[in-house]
Amino acid sequence: AQSVTQLGSHVSVSEGALVLLRCNYSSSVPPYLFWYVQYPNQGLQLLLKYTSAATLVKGINGFEAEFKKSETSFHLTKPSAHMSDAAEYFCAVTLGNQFYFGTGTSLTVIP
Amino acid sequence: DTAVSQTPKYLVTQMGNDKSIKCEQNLGHDTMYWYKQDSKKFLKIMFSYNNKELIINETVPNRFSPKSPDKAHLNLHINSLELGDSAVYFCASSQDDGLAGGGETQYFGPGTRLLVL
Repeated sequence: AQSVTQLGSHVSVSEGALVLLRCNYSSSVPPYLFWYVQYPNQGLQLLLKYTSAATLVKGINGFEAEFKKSETSFHLTKPSAHMSDAAEYFCAVTLGNQFYFGTGTSLTVIP
Repeated sequence: DTAVSQTPKYLVTQMGNDKSIKCEQNLGHDTMYWYKQDSKKFLKIMFSYNNKELIINETVPNRFSPKSPDKAHLNLHINSLELGDSAVYFCASSQDDGLAGGGETQYFGPGTRLLVL
């Protein structure tokens, strides 16, 4: 079975603090992994994706994620949160003919 | 020059009505998708079309019928609307073969917010 789990449906950080959004996947073979961001009342936008090249993937807006096979994780980080980062973040995984999104993590940035 | 567009953006209608949502992409992609996002932000794929052919058809009521007149368009028709159909519907497209095994990025439209009264 293939799935992705996002721990923490809501995360709050202070402006300038580290952002860490967690994503774990379950797969018997290396998957393709994605992080998408959804700003209020908008569609989803790709932040970054892992396709078995470098394990540390850099995305847009200063975000990055590290693929850790031993931990089956693909956590999203940003060193310093900005107010404009407040949004819903989705981890997604594809394998074979299926594409699954996690349940999402809502990020709040406190001024 | 919008990549993936959907119309309408908002749709408010009565139970039992039939409605359609249109999607167009100008990216030259071969594959298009429909997703449903519920009130808890949970996203679930409904359909996938590759070059006008149905590839993925998840367990959705047969009141939902996708139609792809050409590979740039994928419309969603919903018959006999129910309260539970209220959600945000997203169209997306990608350049892969629709089987989601190639790691291709999906590009999303802005969504259609459907409210059934």
